Amino acid sequence: AQSVTQLDSQVPVFEEAPVELRCNYSSSVSVYLFWYVQYPNQGLQLLLKYLSGSTLVKGINGFEAEFNKSQTSFHLRKPSVHISDTAEYFCAVTMRGSQGNLIFGKGTKLSVKP
Amino acid sequence: DAGVTQSPTHLIKTRGQQVTLRCSPISGHKSVSWYQQVLGQGPQFIFQYYEKEERGRGNFPDRFSARQFPNYSSELNVNALLLGDSALYLCASSSTTGVNTEAFFGQGTRLTVV
Repeated sequence: AQSVTQLDSQVPVFEEAPVELRCNYSSSVSVYLFWYVQYPNQGLQLLLKYLSGSTLVKGINGFEAEFNKSQTSFHLRKPSVHISDTAEYFCAVTMRGSQGNLIFGKGTKLSVKP
Repeated sequence: DAGVTQSPTHLIKTRGQQVTLRCSPISGHKSVSWYQQVLGQGPQFIFQYYEKEERGRGNFPDRFSARQFPNYSSELNVNALLLGDSALYLCASSSTTGVNTEAFFGQGTRLTVV
């Protein structure tokens, strides 16, 4: 069975500082990986996804993530955060060949302080 | 363009009651998925429908059921409500199934069971 572990439940950071949100997955089959963002009282928005090809994936709002198969990780990074990046971030996985049903981690709350 | 719309946005029910949640997908999208997000957790997959047929089911009791209509809108029904059913219920639509199609999420229905 697949599972996703987000290692930090909360990450406080100052504005313009770099940030990394960590995600590890476990699966016995090949997977696809996603990062979603959830702003307060809103649904989920796709930030980026890894399906194949280059292991460094660039997404919206200046975020990027790197797929590391040997470490089964898919960490999300941004070189300089803004106040508006304050939100909850979810890492998700789905199996290759599946209907696309997503398995989510528990989420990381990013708080950007001035 | 209208996004995924869910109704109602909030509701309060009593233990043992039944509830119906509604979802209208983005125009042209034929697949609808339902997720349950308990406070402090990531979303959990409940159902996926495509072209009115069930394509996937998560690990939820038979009290949970869903259907998709000819116009591709969908309803999620939960019978014999328990306190533990209190959660944000998210609907996601996509043009088809599979991992290559992006899922667009609605803002959710916040269900409180008292």
